Amino acid sequence: KAGVTQTPRYLIKTRGQQVTLSCSPISGHRSVSWYQQTPGQGLQFLFEYFSETQRNKGNFPGRFSGRQFSNSRSEMNVSTLELGDSALYLCASSSYDLERDEQFFGPGTRLTVL
Amino acid sequence: KNQVEQSPQSLIILEGKNCTLQCNYTVSPFSNLRWYKQDTGRGPVSLTIMTFSENTKSNGRYTATLDADTKQSSLHITASQLSDSASYICVVRGNFGNEKLTFGTGTRLTIIP
Repeated sequence: KAGVTQTPRYLIKTRGQQVTLSCSPISGHRSVSWYQQTPGQGLQFLFEYFSETQRNKGNFPGRFSGRQFSNSRSEMNVSTLELGDSALYLCASSSYDLERDEQFFGPGTRLTVL
Repeated sequence: KNQVEQSPQSLIILEGKNCTLQCNYTVSPFSNLRWYKQDTGRGPVSLTIMTFSENTKSNGRYTATLDADTKQSSLHITASQLSDSASYICVVRGNFGNEKLTFGTGTRLTIIP
């Protein structure tokens, strides 16, 4: 089975621009979660999608948004980029069995905001 | 407030030695706890996952324990290898309307030859 894929792997943007990141989950997985990872804050939960619906949301401003398509692929968008948005953005997929679910992470997209 | 705290923040040990990483959490109600290993620049990889009814789980040289009464977990690494150098992250999932994952900030483990 192919793993979780994220595109692009690296991205450089300037302040004020917007960016869209893409995630393709493992085949058959219907849950996709997004995380932001910075050296100082560790992994922080952005949002989780299941069957095209946002199930959970972290404490991020409205500039961060996401969506999930019928094939479970997901995108996240960040508008009006700020320097502090520079981070590794990780996507994880799972089959969402609450008791035994295991999240499989992609390699991440490294976003640098100049 | 749901929290997951890990200790120590960083650890350096000699190759071949054992070590134990700690995780304390306040997430309630509790569904499961998992440990991840994250190499620099890569996504985390799951090592173990335990529900409240399990108190130990092994994956090769990694052994995780869970005490759901005291809300504590530990990850024991036996006969460490250079490839064990990574960050180890403890993650707790809540339950019954509180299903979000709460992440610890991780322990940075460095194995030196």
